Amino acid sequence: AQTVTQSQPEMSVQEAETVTLSCTYDTSESDYYLFWYKQPPSRQMILVIRQEAYKQQNATENRFSVNFQKAAKSFSLKISDSQLGDAAMYFCAYRSGEGGGADGLTFGKGTHLIIQP
Amino acid sequence: GAGVSQTPSNKVTEKGKYVELRCDPISGHTALYWYRQSLGQGPEFLIYFQGTGAADDSGLPNDRFFAVRPEGSVSTLKIQRTERGDSAVYLCASSPGQGMVYGYTFGSGTRLTVV
Repeated sequence: AQTVTQSQPEMSVQEAETVTLSCTYDTSESDYYLFWYKQPPSRQMILVIRQEAYKQQNATENRFSVNFQKAAKSFSLKISDSQLGDAAMYFCAYRSGEGGGADGLTFGKGTHLIIQP
Repeated sequence: GAGVSQTPSNKVTEKGKYVELRCDPISGHTALYWYRQSLGQGPEFLIYFQGTGAADDSGLPNDRFFAVRPEGSVSTLKIQRTERGDSAVYLCASSPGQGMVYGYTFGSGTRLTVV
C-alpha cells in the first residue's frame, strides 16, 4: 500500500515571503499522480496543484510550484509571495495511475500553514 | 447544483444509534467518493461509486458502514451502531469521470460527533 508522509505539522511564514512544504511518499508503482490540496476552516478541500509522475517538468500554478523528485519520492510545494489567504491546512495526496477499479486518494496528515502579517 | 452539497453540516448522535449522511454531487458527475477525516489526520478513503455501483469499497472500516447511490446521483453513507471512534468529518467528492483525469470536487463535509 502507498503511504504519504508530511513531516511538518506546522509552518509559519511572513506575508510576502516564500515557504516550502515537504511531502514524501512510498510506492512501488511507476505511474501515479500527486496532488496538493488546501483545506481552509470551511473544510472543503481545494486543489492547489497536480503532477503526473510521467512528466519530468515540475507543475506550476501562479504563485504555487512543486519540486518533484521521482527517484527520491519527494513532492514539495513552494508558495511564493505568501498571502494571508494562503493560511490553511495543506495536504499532499497520491493516486495510483494503474488500471482497475480504484480511484481513491491517499492523503498525508497535513501541514498547518500560518501566515504572519 | 453548483458544488457538492453535504447534509447535515453537523450531526450529534448517541453511541449505538444509526445515522445517515447525504451527499449531493455536481449534476452530471458520474463518480462519487466518500472520505473520513479524523481529528488531526488527512482524509481516509472509504468508498468510490461509478454510476450506481460501488467500484471500490475497500476503505470501509467494517460492516457497520454502508453506502448507496441508487439512481447514480445522490449518495447516502449509513453508519449502524455508532461508536465514539466514528466521530470525524465525513467528506464527499465527485468527478465527471475518473478523478485523476478530470479532477475531484469536494464538499464541505459533515462533522459527526458520537457522544
